[in-house]
Amino acid sequence: NAGVTQTPKFQVLKTGQSMTLQCAQDMNHEYMSWYRQDPGMGLRLIHYSVGAGITDQGEVPNGYNVSRSTTEDFPLRLLSAAPSQTSVYFCASTLAGAGGTQYFGPGTRLLVL
Amino acid sequence: GENVEQHPSTLSVQEGDSAVIKCTYSDSASNYFPWYKQELGKRPQLIIDIRSNVGEKKDQRIAVTLNKTAKHFSLHITETQPEDSAVYFCAASSLRTGGFKTIFGAGTRLFVKA
Repeated sequence: NAGVTQTPKFQVLKTGQSMTLQCAQDMNHEYMSWYRQDPGMGLRLIHYSVGAGITDQGEVPNGYNVSRSTTEDFPLRLLSAAPSQTSVYFCASTLAGAGGTQYFGPGTRLLVL
Repeated sequence: GENVEQHPSTLSVQEGDSAVIKCTYSDSASNYFPWYKQELGKRPQLIIDIRSNVGEKKDQRIAVTLNKTAKHFSLHITETQPEDSAVYFCAASSLRTGGFKTIFGAGTRLFVKA
């Protein structure tokens, strides 16, 4: 199993550009989440999902969209990038019934100029 | 909204001493409390967790306690070693319609001096 994978590892954007951060897992986990981590801060929840077609907002959803068309994939879209979105983004997945134990991807480091 | 407070933000101990990190949470629906260790440039890794029907759990040098009435939970590391140096995060998780909603504390940077 590859576990949770994220692409790209690093990305530079200009203000106003859009992009999609990819996240995939091959563990057949129902639950998936996106977090951002800023320097000196914890992980803040952006969006999460219980399965295909079902998503919900976390603590900091503004400026981000998600969709869940398959169990395996949970892409995060930045509609119009802003410097405040410079951060490290982590995707995580959880097996339903496992009590919430999350497995994290390696992260995507995003720089918005 | 829901939040998790974590203290201290930085903790420095001598090798062999104990380290204690404390968290409080606000969401009464939280029923799962994991602790993660994050080394520089790496992803968070689960080190121990506790569920709401348990008051204490131990795994070798690491233990976690939970007081649901007071909404407090703590991480205890005994006989600390230099390789324990990292950032530690507590979290509180609850099951919602959209999935597991997990809120993290801001983290504690632990330094273990040899």
